[in-house]
Amino acid sequence: DAMVIQNPRYQVTQFGKPVTLSCSQTLNHNVMYWYQQKSSQAPKLLFHYYDKDFNNEADTPDNFQSRRPNTSFCFLDIRSPGLGDAAMYLCATSRVGHSYNEQFFGPGTRLTVL
Amino acid sequence: TQLLEQSPQFLSIQEGENLTVYCNSSSVFSSLQWYRQEPGEGPVLLVTVVTGGEVKKLKRLTFQFGDARKDSSLHITAAQPGDTGLYLCAGATDSSYKLIFGSGTRLLVRP
Repeated sequence: DAMVIQNPRYQVTQFGKPVTLSCSQTLNHNVMYWYQQKSSQAPKLLFHYYDKDFNNEADTPDNFQSRRPNTSFCFLDIRSPGLGDAAMYLCATSRVGHSYNEQFFGPGTRLTVL
Repeated sequence: TQLLEQSPQFLSIQEGENLTVYCNSSSVFSSLQWYRQEPGEGPVLLVTVVTGGEVKKLKRLTFQFGDARKDSSLHITAAQPGDTGLYLCAGATDSSYKLIFGSGTRLLVRP
C-alpha cells in the first residue's frame, strides 16, 4: 500500500545533541511537509518542499533544517534541541494540482529531549 | 490572515450520544478536509468536501460544507469509544498548497 513512513517512531536525545528525523513516501507526491505538534494542538507547519524548492515558514527557528535528497525522502534536522522542541513531528505529502491538496500524514515521530 | 475556528475544544460524552463539531471562518475555502488523530499517531484523512452545501456520510459520521464554503460541521451519531480522538478541520485555497488548520476538538467517548 502506498504510504508515508516515519522513522524512528520514538526518538530520545539530549539537550543540545543534534538529531535527524526521516520521512519516506511511496505516493510519488511532489510536496512534502514537516509539522510540529504539541499536546493535542493543531499541527504547526515548519517548512515544505515543492519538488526541490524549499519553503520555510517565517516563524520556524533556525535550529530546524530540512533536506530532500530525492522525491521519496525528506529529513528534519534539529541542530541543537532544546527542551521546548520536545513534540510530535509529523511528515505529510500532497500532490499539487490534484485532489484538492489533500495531505497524507505519516505516523509521526515523538521526540523527547532530556 | 485566514483562520479556522473550531468548537468545542473538548467534548466528553457517553457512548451512544450524538455530537456536532463546528469549523468556522470568515474566509472562503476551495475545499475543507476533516482528519481524525488517535493518541500517538498521525492525522488520518476522513473526508474532503468541495462544493458549497455538500453533505458526505461516512458510516455514523456526517460532514457538511456551508453554502458559502466558509464553514463546516461534523456530526457523529451514536458515538462509540472507538471515535475517541482529536478531530481537525483544515481548509485549502486555490492560491496555496498549504492547509489552514482549525485548533482541533478533542473527543472522549466513555463506555
